[in-house]
Amino acid sequence: GQQVMQIPQYQHVQEGEDFTTYCNSSTTLSNIQWYKQRPGGHPVFLIQLVKSGEVKKQKRLTFQFGEAKKNSSLHITATQTTDVGTYFCAGLTSGTYKYIFGTGTRLKVLA
Amino acid sequence: ETGVTQTPRHLVMGMTNKKSLKCEQHLGHNAMYWYKQSAKKPLELMFVYNFKEQTENNSVPSRFSPECPNSSHLFLHLHTLQPEDSALYLCASSQDVEAGYEQYFGPGTRLTVT
Repeated sequence: GQQVMQIPQYQHVQEGEDFTTYCNSSTTLSNIQWYKQRPGGHPVFLIQLVKSGEVKKQKRLTFQFGEAKKNSSLHITATQTTDVGTYFCAGLTSGTYKYIFGTGTRLKVLA
Repeated sequence: ETGVTQTPRHLVMGMTNKKSLKCEQHLGHNAMYWYKQSAKKPLELMFVYNFKEQTENNSVPSRFSPECPNSSHLFLHLHTLQPEDSALYLCASSQDVEAGYEQYFGPGTRLTVT
């Protein structure tokens, strides 16, 4: 079945360092969403990417959708302690109603 | 607050019990979802409802029985669960299932099966 893998599984960074998580799907996606889940919390929507090669920015966060629409990345510049949490990508395949969530990357920021 | 509420927030039940989880959304959305989140596993989609009709059952065991009486309410009826069913159960809603609308998640119900 369709799988969405994320790497790395865990990442510890010093505050101020950059962070990137990568999302790879076994099938072509119609769109991809990114969510953040704080410890003890629930996933919160960050952004959606639809077009091949699309790049979107939200302050220190940069999201990219691959040209083949099978991979995506989230890059955080100059991490802050408020960035702590698990980042999930969720991919949607054409013709389905089923978002497949990635395995998640847990980010820890050391002050 | 995301406009999606879930009750109870915590539930401990024996394997022979019957219980129900409730989800309510106040966002006027048409689609509602149940997800299971276990430790060290990705979010698993269980059921999808669109305009009260079930559009997806992701091979979920019959001991989980969903009910969607209207677009604002979603239930998950539980019976004869197994210890491996212990997890965080998350409800979500979105404007529609198509065209990639964002999902709004509730706070979840932490279920422990003893």
